[in-house]
Amino acid sequence: KQEVTQIPAALSVPEGENLVLNCSFTDSAIYNLQWFRQDPGKGLTSLLLIQSSQREQTSGRLNASLDKSSGRSTLYIAASQPGDSATYLCAVSNYGGATNKLIFGTGTLLAVQP
Amino acid sequence: DAGITQSPRYKITETGRQVTLMCHQTWSHSYMFWYRQDLGHGLRLIYYSAAADITDKGEVPDGYVVSRSKTENFPLTLESATRSQTSVYFCASSEWTSGRRSGELFFGEGSRLTVL
Repeated sequence: KQEVTQIPAALSVPEGENLVLNCSFTDSAIYNLQWFRQDPGKGLTSLLLIQSSQREQTSGRLNASLDKSSGRSTLYIAASQPGDSATYLCAVSNYGGATNKLIFGTGTLLAVQP
Repeated sequence: DAGITQSPRYKITETGRQVTLMCHQTWSHSYMFWYRQDLGHGLRLIYYSAAADITDKGEVPDGYVVSRSKTENFPLTLESATRSQTSVYFCASSEWTSGRRSGELFFGEGSRLTVL
């Protein structure tokens, strides 16, 4: 059974700092991995999607890497801003086609202090 | 506006009542999902659907019923609500394509349900 773990559970950093959020998964036979952002009382917003054949994806100040063999992904946020404060979740999909069910980690709560 | 919408956004009901949460998407995505989010458990899959008239159980299906007569709608029904079903419910959709965004999951804003 696939299990997804995110460390740390919470993180507080000063504005401008570069930071890394970690995601690990137990079954390396994944189809893709997705990073989401969730603001309080809101739904999840997709940030980056990495297909199993890819090693990283970038969007603006965000960079996500994937190492299937070690069961790990990292989300790198450059030059953090107070507006980056949110919960970040990673999720993996073990199948393509008919059953693309995502298994979620429990998230990292990020606070960027001005 | 295009996207995925859920209704109602907030609902308070009593134990034993039937409640239906609605989900509508305008992308014509084949796949739709219902998740619940609870403190300490994260997001857990309740039911999913690969196409109209095709549904299947997720991790926590007990006490829930779904249907999908049209591609764009995926209602979730709690047949006899219990306090343990107090939660935030999220609907999501995705599509498989040949592109690099294949399988990307898009979420609605959520429905917060309280069962008294």
